[in-house]
Order: sequence, then C-alpha cells, then structure tokens
Amino acid sequence: GQNIDQPTEMTATEGAIVQINCTYQTSGFNGLFWYQQHAGEAPTFLSYNVLDGLEEKGRFSSFLSRSKGYSYLLLKELQMKDSASYLCAVKGGGFKTIFGAGTRLFVKA
Amino acid sequence: GAVVSQHPSRVICKSGTSVKIECRSLDFQATTMFWYRQFPKQSLMLMATSNEGSKATYEQGVEKDKFLINHASLTLSTLTVTSAHPEDSSFYICSALRGQTSGNTIYFGEGSWLTVV
Repeated sequence: GQNIDQPTEMTATEGAIVQINCTYQTSGFNGLFWYQQHAGEAPTFLSYNVLDGLEEKGRFSSFLSRSKGYSYLLLKELQMKDSASYLCAVKGGGFKTIFGAGTRLFVKA
Repeated sequence: GAVVSQHPSRVICKSGTSVKIECRSLDFQATTMFWYRQFPKQSLMLMATSNEGSKATYEQGVEKDKFLINHASLTLSTLTVTSAHPEDSSFYICSALRGQTSGNTIYFGEGSWLTVV
C-alpha cells in the first residue's frame, strides 16, 4: 500500500530552526513535494525534490533520500507567519500526487 | 497571480440539489487535473484524476455517479456534486499538471467551500 508519515504537530520558537520529517512508501516515485497550507486556504508550493540531496530556497530547504524513503523540510529564522500546516506529498506512478496528513507547526514568540 | 482558478470559492446549496465547481488553468493547457477533498484538520484526499477528452479515474471509495467530473477542454475541468447531502460539505480543491514530466508544476486552485444545508 501507499503510506506517507509525518508528525502531527510541532512547536518552535520565533527565530529558531525547525525540521519536519516525512517518510513514505509508495508505488512509483516521480518526485516529492512540500506545501504550506494556512487554515481555510489551498496549499501553496514550497519545494520539489526528485533527486537525492538538499534543495535550498531562501529560508526553506528540503532534503530527499530515495533509498530511505525519507525527506525533511527545514525552516530557518522562523517567523510567526510560518505557523501553518506543512504537507508532504509524493507524486507516484501516473503522476497522481498523494498527500500526507500534514504537520501543524506552531511558532511561539 | 493565480494560474489555476477555481469557482465558486464558496457555495451553499440545499440538500438534494446539485452543485458544479469549475477549475480553469489560466495560461497553460492542462491535460491532467486532479480533484481533492479536505475535511477540517485532515489531509487532502485525492478523489479523481481528470484527463482531457477521456473519463476520469476515480480513487477507491469515491462514488463516480455522485461526483461527476468532466474535462471537456484543455483548460477546464468541472466537478459536479449530485444530490448533495450535508455530509458532502467540505473543502474541494483542484490542481492542474503543467507539462508531463516537469515536477514543480502542479498548481492548485484556491479551493471551494461547499456547505449543504
């Protein structure tokens, strides 16, 4: 079967660094996405990894290890506006994208 | 600006009626679009994959006769919730695949809040 696991909730302090992990087991792999979703809104794209390694984009970085079925999203210099749900999603065979349950991040002052 | 437009953003309908949600790719042709449903505090659930000019592929457990999907053109897919019931109230989101192989080109619509009363 297909399964994507990520922590349910995390709390971090403004200005700190937080790492959100994601492990997956899917039939087929055509890339892994991270999305940010604020309550009541559609997800917004953060990053895409298809090859192993680290992709850095400003305050956000995403890492992928295909052999381990593992990814993480790293958020640096946390801001209050970063409080949101972070969704890990895998594009499998046929380009269907399966989403994890999301990690709710709470940033406190 | 948005590259995928979803309409309406909010709709309230009476139980037993049907409601149509549109998903448009604004500046590209999308041969493949996806429809998702999201309950409060839950993950996005893929409902179906919509391919232009052919029948949609529904995920297991999704009633194709209740959730009618039409992808009649390369820029428009519609989801019709037929004979809606209060349990169909949810947040419905579409996404469109731009190109076939490029990875970071799945764009989401803004979502549609459906409330069935």
